[in-house]
This record gives sequence, C-alpha cells and structure tokens, in this order.
Amino acid sequence: GEDVEQSLFLSVREGDSSVINCTYTDSSSTYLYWYKQEPGAGLQLLTYIFSNMDMKQDQRLTVLLNKKDKHLSLRIADTQTGDSAIYFCAESLTGANNLFFGTGTRLTVIP
Amino acid sequence: GAGVSQSPSNKVTEKGKDVELRCDPISGHTALYWYRQSLGQGLEFLIYFQGNSAPDKSGLPSDRFSAERTGGSVSTLTIQRTQQEDSAVYLCASARTRGNEQFFGPGTRLTVL
Repeated sequence: GEDVEQSLFLSVREGDSSVINCTYTDSSSTYLYWYKQEPGAGLQLLTYIFSNMDMKQDQRLTVLLNKKDKHLSLRIADTQTGDSAIYFCAESLTGANNLFFGTGTRLTVIP
Repeated sequence: GAGVSQSPSNKVTEKGKDVELRCDPISGHTALYWYRQSLGQGLEFLIYFQGNSAPDKSGLPSDRFSAERTGGSVSTLTIQRTQQEDSAVYLCASARTRGNEQFFGPGTRLTVL
C-alpha cells in the first residue's frame, strides 16, 4: 500500500519559519493536502496542491512539491503560538476512494 | 448542522463489549468516510460510503467491525467484542461527493480497558 512519511516532532521559536516535510511513494497522486489538528478537534484542511503544480502560496503558507523526489513540504512564515498543532500531509490517488495520511508532525512553537 | 458531528466524544468500555459510534455528516454530502487514528500513527482508512452503499470496506481490520449508513445521512460504526488494540480516535469525514474536499468531525476517543 501507499506509504506517506513525516517526522514526528518539530520545535520552532515564535516568529521563525517552520518547514514540515512529507515523503510519499505512489506517483499516481492527484492532489496533496495539508491538514491541521488542534487538541480535541477534527482535522482542518489548510491547503492543497494539484499534483502537476510545484508551488502554491496562501498567505503565510507555502507548499512546495517535488514530484520527481516525491517530496512535499509546508512552510509557515512568522510562526505563531496558535500554529502549535499536529500537521498531517495526505495524498489522493487515482482510482482510490480514501486519502492516505502521514503519521503527523507535532509542531511546538516556543514563545 | 454547520459541520460534521460525532458522538460520543469519549467512550470507555471493557474488553469484550460492543460499542457504537455515530457520525452526522454535513447535510447534502453524499460521501462519508471513517478513519482510525492510533497513537503515533497516521489516519488509517476504514470504510467509504457513497449514499447508503459502502463500495469500499477494504480498511475494516476484522469482521468485528461493521458500519451502516441510513437515509444518506447518519452513519454508525459498530465494533463487536472490543479488544484493547481497538483503542484509538475514530474520525468521520464527509464530502459533497467522492473526490471533493473531506470535512472531518472532532472524533470519538475509544478506550478499551
């Protein structure tokens, strides 16, 4: 089956940029997503990128996709304490009904 | 309602008991998904509904797990004879249709003692 991997933890200082990385194995992806999960809450879709794009910017968020290396990243500029959460990357594949999720990266923002 | 709701938010049960978890999707969403989130793991797909039919049950881990959806709306995930390894957060998501953005509920945290 599809394997989506992320590092488990990331700590940054408030005001710095955060970069969360994700790798995947199946190249038949259609869309790639970043979700945010705050304690006790469901997953909130932050942004997504179509698989034939290599970059998408949305306010403080920048998504980079390197399809050749099967690598996706999420950059959060000027990270705030409210950005502390678990971030999941997810992939939709051609013909699949569900999304394939990574393990999630817990981002801790230090004031 | 405005979003996907799930109940109960927390459930503690004894090993061997049956549990039912409920999901109320966003009104008008025809696609509904159940996922399981275990500690330190990503979300694991369980089952997908389109309307009241479940064309993809490939993620259900054993025959102790079943789900149904009625009226194209509410879904219930049932776990029979619960085991400790069933302890996890069970998340439900709905989408306007297959392939559209999935909106997630807050989840039900299941603890099997």
